[in-house]
Amino acid sequence: AQSVTQPDIHITVSEGASLELRCNYSYGATPYLFWYVQSPGQGLQLLLKYFSGDTLVQGIKGFEAEFKRSQSSFNLRKPSVHWSDAAEYFCAVDGNQFYFGTGTSLTVIP
Amino acid sequence: GAVVSQHPSWVICKSGTSVKIECRSLDFQATTMFWYRQFPKQSLMLMATSNEGSKATYEQGVEKDKFLINHASLTLSTLTVTSAHPEDSSFYICSARDGGRGQAFFGQGTRLTVV
Repeated sequence: AQSVTQPDIHITVSEGASLELRCNYSYGATPYLFWYVQSPGQGLQLLLKYFSGDTLVQGIKGFEAEFKRSQSSFNLRKPSVHWSDAAEYFCAVDGNQFYFGTGTSLTVIP
Repeated sequence: GAVVSQHPSWVICKSGTSVKIECRSLDFQATTMFWYRQFPKQSLMLMATSNEGSKATYEQGVEKDKFLINHASLTLSTLTVTSAHPEDSSFYICSARDGGRGQAFFGQGTRLTVV
């Protein structure tokens, strides 16, 4: 079976603080993993993706994610959050189908 | 990256009518397309997977007679919401990919309101 879990429904961080959003997956083979961001009422924007190779992936807007096979995780990180980063973040796994996690809502306080 | 165009971006329709949403891959051949539904403040729920020239595979709990999916060509898939009801109001997003597993490209979504 294929699934993806985001344990944190909502996270609040102060502007300038570091951020880590968690993502765990279940898939029988090597997964393709993605992080997307969605602003209210908008479509999805791809932040980064992992297919193979280097397990630390750099994305747009200063985001990075690390694939850890032993932990079945693909956590998203950013060293310093900006107010414009407030949005909904979705982890996704591409196996037989393309499934999304439940999402993490990020609030950034000044 | 590749472009997926979804049309219309928003639509309002009366209860009992049908609404068709189009998803086009503009610069690649989409052998597989996915349709998602998203309720406010919730995740994207996969409704169905369609492969060109074959019947769509629907996720459990999705009414195939209610949500008709056609993937007649390598660049176009359509979702028709038949006999729409207010509870069908939602944000519908399509995605398309070329070949096997790999990056899927998303349309900008269609906001359907049934009144």
